[in-house]
Amino acid sequence: NAGVTQTPKFQVLKTGQSMTLQCAQDMNHEYMSWYRQDPGMGLRLIHYSVGAGITDQGEVPNGYNVSRSTTEDFPLRLLSAAPSQTSVYFCASSWGLAGVAEQFFGPGTRLTVL
Amino acid sequence: GQQLNQSPQSMFIQEGEDVSMNCTSSSIFNTWLWYKQDPGEGPVLLIALYKAGELTSNGRLTAQFGITRKDSFLNISASIPSDVGIYFCAGHPIKGGNQFYFGTGTSLTVIP
Repeated sequence: NAGVTQTPKFQVLKTGQSMTLQCAQDMNHEYMSWYRQDPGMGLRLIHYSVGAGITDQGEVPNGYNVSRSTTEDFPLRLLSAAPSQTSVYFCASSWGLAGVAEQFFGPGTRLTVL
Repeated sequence: GQQLNQSPQSMFIQEGEDVSMNCTSSSIFNTWLWYKQDPGEGPVLLIALYKAGELTSNGRLTAQFGITRKDSFLNISASIPSDVGIYFCAGHPIKGGNQFYFGTGTSLTVIP
């Protein structure tokens, strides 16, 4: 049981490049989410999904796209990277909706945009 | 978005001392969680609280869901070097939909 896995662990992009951060979970969780963590700040929700085919925006969705074609995978796409998107990105999953279920986090992707 | 104020921001303590930290919100929450994050890792859940007044322990850690439902507390007793890390509170407001909100973290350093 691998839990929540994220790839890559580190990434450097140039401004304007696009890329996809991968997230997968093997716990059959319905709820998955993406957060970013910046120095001195708590985790902020980017996008989340309550099941395959259903996604919604969190606090800071601009510049990011998501899709959920399977229960297991929840990729995060940066369409045109900007230096303001330099951050550590965490994917999380839980069995139910926020408020009733505990979230399990992946190890993170450290992204630098030059 | 929701504001969660976590204090203190950082703590430097001697091994064996007890630690207290707290988190306050501007609205009523129905769930409080406490996480620990080690350097280079994702947060790991320590304690989950679901009812006002609830007091829950996990080894040397004890957390409480405040009776006002706008705050939560985490205590660590007899600290040891492996307690070093950043501790985050997180909560779900009653009218928060599908979103958790996180505090800014308390950085704990334990001096042997």
